Amino acid sequence: GENVEQHPSTLSVQEGDSAVIKCTYSDSASNYFPWYKQELGKGPQLIIDIRSNVGEKKDQRIAVTLNKTAKHFSLHITETQPEDSAVYFCAATRLSGANSKLTFGKGITLSVRP
Amino acid sequence: DAGVIQSPRHEVTEMGQEVTLRCKPISGHNSLFWYRQTMMRGLELLIYFNNNVPIDDSGMPEDRFSAKMPNASFSTLKIQPSEPRDSAVYFCASRVSGGLDTQYFGPGTRLTVL
Repeated sequence: GENVEQHPSTLSVQEGDSAVIKCTYSDSASNYFPWYKQELGKGPQLIIDIRSNVGEKKDQRIAVTLNKTAKHFSLHITETQPEDSAVYFCAATRLSGANSKLTFGKGITLSVRP
Repeated sequence: DAGVIQSPRHEVTEMGQEVTLRCKPISGHNSLFWYRQTMMRGLELLIYFNNNVPIDDSGMPEDRFSAKMPNASFSTLKIQPSEPRDSAVYFCASRVSGGLDTQYFGPGTRLTVL
């Protein structure tokens, strides 16, 4: 089955700096890679996703890049703000209609210092 | 849209007691997922349903755990008997199967077994 790993487990950046969170996956057949943000006391919420037919996707201050050859993908947050502080999960799956399920990484805690 | 609704939000019980967690998915969603989140193991998929039918329960830890989905708008996760190692946050998520793979998570139930 799929195995998703995130490194490091914690990341601290100064407000205004950029943050990069990396994930690796094991199943070369995986073709969908979402990122979820979990704020304290809440459930994870999708913030951006990418499919294997593109290498990069942007949405305002966040972007995701995918390297299929190396089987890794990264979340980039620019101009970080205190409200970006949260736990971020990457996930991977092979889309197969009704029966696809996500495999999540263990999450990384991002702290943005004011 | 009310989002995914879970109850109770917090549950404290004693070892050996039965615990029932409840979930109401987003109206119109036909896939439902139960996850368990702990510091050690991260976000683990326990079981998921498509159109009220259990598809994959390989993540259910043992026979003490059971899940049902009697109709499209309600699901339960039961632990009987509960043990201290079951203490975790349990999330329910739903999505529209066959479309985008976005899962929408509920706020979670924090379970403490003494």
